[in-house]
Amino acid sequence: GESVGLHLPTLSVQEGDNSIINCAYSNSASDYFIWYKQESGKGPQFIIDIRSNMDKRQGQRVTVLLNKTVKHLSLQIAATQPGDSAVYFCAENRWEGGATNKLIFGTGTLLAVQP
Amino acid sequence: SQTIHQWPATLVQPVGSPLSLECTVEGTSNPNLYWYRQAAGRGLQLLFYSVGIGQISSEVPQNLSASRPQDRQFILSSKKLLLSDSGFYLCAWSRQANQPQHFGDGTRLSIL
Repeated sequence: GESVGLHLPTLSVQEGDNSIINCAYSNSASDYFIWYKQESGKGPQFIIDIRSNMDKRQGQRVTVLLNKTVKHLSLQIAATQPGDSAVYFCAENRWEGGATNKLIFGTGTLLAVQP
Repeated sequence: SQTIHQWPATLVQPVGSPLSLECTVEGTSNPNLYWYRQAAGRGLQLLFYSVGIGQISSEVPQNLSASRPQDRQFILSSKKLLLSDSGFYLCAWSRQANQPQHFGDGTRLSIL
């Protein structure tokens, strides 16, 4: 079946270093991808998205890279801070036709920032 | 700005009891609405979605149902809860298809 998955279940980084979280997807027809951050006991928070007509998009301290050739997505966080500690999910937005979309989530990567 | 509210934040219910979880969205009209369940340490599973009042699509067969009595209100229900219904339930909205979904803070449901 089609799925979205993450390469690393946990990632430990030092405060101030850059973090890279990776994600693989299998549906080559998907045209929209989203990264979410989820802190303990809370709902996922939208970080950044990218459409398939782009290969890079930057936000504040975050960059998403999309490689459609190998169906790979990554989230880069610059100068990682303790407040960045959370579980990060990639999600593939699958167009189902009609008036709705469905998000297919990966299993998540836990980012642990060491002081 | 848009906000989404879910309540209660936590709920403990006995097996066989009914359930009603409510979600409301403010600051937008005619949103797409979604109910997800998240198992511990796992990703999110879509349960129901709605593109308009009274329009509900179910993603997986289960002991739960959803209703949308008003434009910005989405309700998750059960007549008789099972132990397997325990989990973290999240409501989300999006402006339209192929747009980001924005999540509430969820309801932690424990069945005893």
